[in-house]
Amino acid sequence: KAGVTQTPRYLIKTRGQQVTLSCSPISGHRSVSWYQQTPGQGLQFLFEYFSETQRNKGNFPGRFSGRQFSNSRSEMNVSTLELGDSALYLCASSPWTSGSETQYFGPGTRLLVL
Amino acid sequence: GDSVTQMEGPVTLSEEAFLTINCTYTATGYPSLFWYVQYPGEGLQLLLKATKADDKGSNKGFEATYRKETTSFHLEKGSVQVSDSAVYFCALSDPRSGNEKLTFGTGTRLTIIP
Repeated sequence: KAGVTQTPRYLIKTRGQQVTLSCSPISGHRSVSWYQQTPGQGLQFLFEYFSETQRNKGNFPGRFSGRQFSNSRSEMNVSTLELGDSALYLCASSPWTSGSETQYFGPGTRLLVL
Repeated sequence: GDSVTQMEGPVTLSEEAFLTINCTYTATGYPSLFWYVQYPGEGLQLLLKATKADDKGSNKGFEATYRKETTSFHLEKGSVQVSDSAVYFCALSDPRSGNEKLTFGTGTRLTIIP
């Protein structure tokens, strides 16, 4: 099976712009989660989607949003970018059959905000 | 809320040395526990996991035992190799939460010198 794929892999934006990141989960996986990784804050949970519904959300401002499509692919959007949004954004998928499932991570999208 | 405390790094060892990376957790219920590894420029890969007390997870020579009495999940390897150089993350999830959120420790950077 193909792994989790994320596009684009690298992105450079300027303050005030918006950005959309895409994640394609492993085939058959219905849960998609997003994490932000920065040197200062480490790995922080953004949100999780399951069957097109947001199931949980982390402590991030409303500028961060996401959605999931019927084929389980997910996008996250960040509006009005700030310098502090520079980070590695990781997507993870899991089959969600019984809880405590292993999450499989993609390679990430590295966002640089100038 | 749930939290994970991980041994501060960086850790530098010689090849074939014994490795321990400490991890303790705080959770209200009975979490599932994970160790993930991140190689340079890549996303996270699951190294091992344990879902109940006294379970031992193992993979590639690494082991960790779920100790409920000490709320710990320390990572060990008897003889490290240069290829083990990476950042290691301890994480937990709550199977009762109805979602897949992972709470991560801060990560421990491991460097193995020949």
